Amino acid sequence: AQKVTQAQTEISVVEKEDVTLDCVYETRDTTYYLFWYKQPPSGELVFLIRRNSFDEQNEISGRYSWNFQKSTSSFNFTITASQVVDSAVYFCALNPQGGSEKLVFGKGTKLTVNP
Amino acid sequence: EAGVAQSPRYKIIEKRQSVAFWCNPISGHATLYWYQQILGQGPKLLIQFQNNGVVDDSQLPKDRFSAERLKGVDSTLKIQPAKLEDSAVYLCASSFGTEFYEQYFGPGTRLTVT
Repeated sequence: AQKVTQAQTEISVVEKEDVTLDCVYETRDTTYYLFWYKQPPSGELVFLIRRNSFDEQNEISGRYSWNFQKSTSSFNFTITASQVVDSAVYFCALNPQGGSEKLVFGKGTKLTVNP
Repeated sequence: EAGVAQSPRYKIIEKRQSVAFWCNPISGHATLYWYQQILGQGPKLLIQFQNNGVVDDSQLPKDRFSAERLKGVDSTLKIQPAKLEDSAVYLCASSFGTEFYEQYFGPGTRLTVT
């Protein structure tokens, strides 16, 4: 079964704090992709990153970084020096092998960054 | 580059009524998706089109939901008759191809069924 678990329902931090959003996935496929999307209050899902199952290198993009560990089936997302504009719901998603582009989403983590 | 367009943004209907949503994908994107996002949950795929053909509609409640993508561009999603549990945000997304391309989402249509 394909499944994505985001155990943190809501996180609240103060501006400039670092915050890590957890994502654990389940799949029996050897080839798959993992994604993170941001959903601000406006409702539109914004693509942040895509990582394939064969690339375990961590990635950094500005204040964002991602830690992919196949051994623990985790794909965690860290925001460094958080800002109020980072407030949103963040979704982790799995795209399992099989020809279809079906994305399996977690339930999301609502991040609130307070000034 | 224009993003995925959806209309209407909001819709309120009574149960047993019908409703339709419209989506215009990013130009050149062959694949189009409709997702249902119930409050507090992640989006769930309802149907996926590749050009004007259906690739996956396994989670579409076909007794009340229908979708079409005539000419392989715009798409409409219809619910008839609506139930209270259909209250959700309906998201449309598009992607360039079928090999793990990232999906770009529209702003969604928030449906309230009373």
